[in-house]
Amino acid sequence: DAGVTQSPTHLIKTRGQHVTLRCSPISGHKSVSWYQQVLGQGPQFIFQYYEKEERGRGNFPDRFSARQFPNYSSELNVNALLLGDSALYLCASSLGGEGTQYFGPGTRLLVL
Amino acid sequence: AQSVTQPDIHITVSEGASLELRCNYSYGATPYLFWYVQSPGQGLQLLLKYFSGDTLVQGIKGFEAEFKRSQSSFNLRKPSVHWSDAAEYFCAVALGISGGGADGLTFGKGTHLIIQP
Repeated sequence: DAGVTQSPTHLIKTRGQHVTLRCSPISGHKSVSWYQQVLGQGPQFIFQYYEKEERGRGNFPDRFSARQFPNYSSELNVNALLLGDSALYLCASSLGGEGTQYFGPGTRLLVL
Repeated sequence: AQSVTQPDIHITVSEGASLELRCNYSYGATPYLFWYVQSPGQGLQLLLKYFSGDTLVQGIKGFEAEFKRSQSSFNLRKPSVHWSDAAEYFCAVALGISGGGADGLTFGKGTHLIIQP
């Protein structure tokens, strides 16, 4: 079975631009969570979506937004990019809103 | 707020030697506990998890972890490491019935494991 997939794998943007990252969960999983991992740190929770509704949000500014589609895939959007947004963005899926999370390979974003 | 501490930023172990990675958490109740491993440039792979029951849990790749409530610890162990175990290891906690609830996972800063030949 395919695991969590994310696209693109790498991305380079400039300050002020907008970016969209995509995630497809494991088949049958209905919940998707997003994390930001800055170099040398552990991942930090950004959002959780379950059945297309936001269930939880971490301490991130409103420039960060997300949505989940009827097929349970998800997009993370970041507006007005800052240099500090450079990070590995990880998507995780779980069966339900509460359950063990399985991670994708991540999207590495570099903001210049 | 809950927090996770991994006191060792780097650990160097000889191949074939035993390993213990430390993890302490701060939370009023017993959280749900996880260990993940991350190889360079990769996502996170789940090694093992503790929700309830037996405090010694077995995971993949020969790893085990022991939950000690009195010490608020969940240390990861392996009796004999292999060169392929070199990676970053993260301890994480979660609220919720079975982990990963609406607040997501809270991770420690990680321990970088180096294997000496």
